Amino acid sequence: EVQLVESGGDLVQPGGSLRLSCAASGFTFSTYWMTWVRQAPGKGLEWVANINPDGSEKYYVDSVKGRFSISRDNAKNSLYLQMDSLKAEDTAVYYCARAQLTLDYWGQGILVTVSS
Amino acid sequence: DIVMTQSPDSLAVSLGERATINCKSSQNILYSSNNKNSLAWFQQKPGQPPKLLIYWTSTRVPGVPDRFSGSGSGTDFTLTISSLQAEDVAVYYCQQYYSRPFTFGQGTKLEIK
Repeated sequence: EVQLVESGGDLVQPGGSLRLSCAASGFTFSTYWMTWVRQAPGKGLEWVANINPDGSEKYYVDSVKGRFSISRDNAKNSLYLQMDSLKAEDTAVYYCARAQLTLDYWGQGILVTVSS
Repeated sequence: DIVMTQSPDSLAVSLGERATINCKSSQNILYSSNNKNSLAWFQQKPGQPPKLLIYWTSTRVPGVPDRFSGSGSGTDFTLTISSLQAEDVAVYYCQQYYSRPFTFGQGTKLEIK
């Protein structure tokens, strides 16, 4: 059974940093693209970033470029999102998702709150 | 970036009736290798992550009831629920996966009339 479990969410002050993790199981992690998607409270879905199977290709939405960094550790079956210079508008539930063409499996999400 | 625009924003349909949700892309999303449009539909129920229903415009994910169907071409796409059931109450999103960032529509909230 495919499972994706996010962790690392927290309340952080504007300008602060946070690192999200996503532990994957039930599939061969090292062969799939992986994606982070976020959802602000009461709002729609926003694609944030994705990474190819060996970690050599990374893509970001413009609003997080230069502040967020996606990475993975295939030996640990884990996906990460390093978030720096956080802003209030980054407040959201962050989902990791497996990308088989499109997003076929999702984690339950983790809440990140940016507030003073 | 490709903008995905859904209509309506909300929809109320009686049980057993048809529900139709539209999605329009600002650009072509036709994947030339298979001549299919890179369009997916997701269902999100309160407190849950989104669930993939349909990809390549009309290919249903195994296990998704056949009352859900997708269609469309060019820049106009449709999700149809042929006979609404109570468990279909949710927000539905379209998404293009043709060009990064892989943008979503703003969502359509489907309720029971």
